[in-house]
Amino acid sequence: AQRVTQPEKLLSVFKGAPVELKCNYSYSGSPELFWYVQYSRQRLQLLLRHISRESIKGFTADLNKGETSFHLKKPFAQEEDSAMYYCALAPNSGNTPLVFGKGTRLSVIA
Amino acid sequence: DSGVTQTPKHLITATGQRVTLRCSPRSGDLSVYWYQQSLDQGLQFLIQYYNGEERAKGNILERFSAQQFPDLHSELNLSSLELGDSALYFCASSPTGQRGGPETQYFGPGTRLLVL
Repeated sequence: AQRVTQPEKLLSVFKGAPVELKCNYSYSGSPELFWYVQYSRQRLQLLLRHISRESIKGFTADLNKGETSFHLKKPFAQEEDSAMYYCALAPNSGNTPLVFGKGTRLSVIA
Repeated sequence: DSGVTQTPKHLITATGQRVTLRCSPRSGDLSVYWYQQSLDQGLQFLIQYYNGEERAKGNILERFSAQQFPDLHSELNLSSLELGDSALYFCASSPTGQRGGPETQYFGPGTRLLVL
């Protein structure tokens, strides 16, 4: 079964501190992983997907197949990063719906 | 702005009633997905349509149904509403939805449903 686990419901960091939002997945094949961000219960916005290897708003994520993880990182947190972050998985065998984790609320304290 | 639109933004109704949520995908996108976001369950996939045909079904109750029209907009119908149906309902679209590998899904702003 496909599953995405985000172990932290809430993560509070100080402005300027490094951030790491954890994401672990369970899938027998080779998945595509995504990070979406949601500000104040608005629409979900794609932050990044692992296949594109882009860095958006200073965030990066590396797919670690050995640890089945796709942690989201940023070296220096900013107040505007405060939001809800969702890790999502899509099987690579076709265009199927996303499986989301429960989300982590990031709070950046000034 | 993702290009996906949803109406209405907010909906307040009573238990037992029926409502219809509407979604217009990005121009050119053939696939539409519906998700429900509630505080306790997080984001749950409900149903997917591709070019008018149902493609995948998730945790969608029998009281809920959806369809995609020839102009590719989609409607989600929720009937016999219960208090627990109160949630944010998102739709998302992707270009083709064909079996060629995962595509990025672009989300609409959501419809906030409150059942009293």
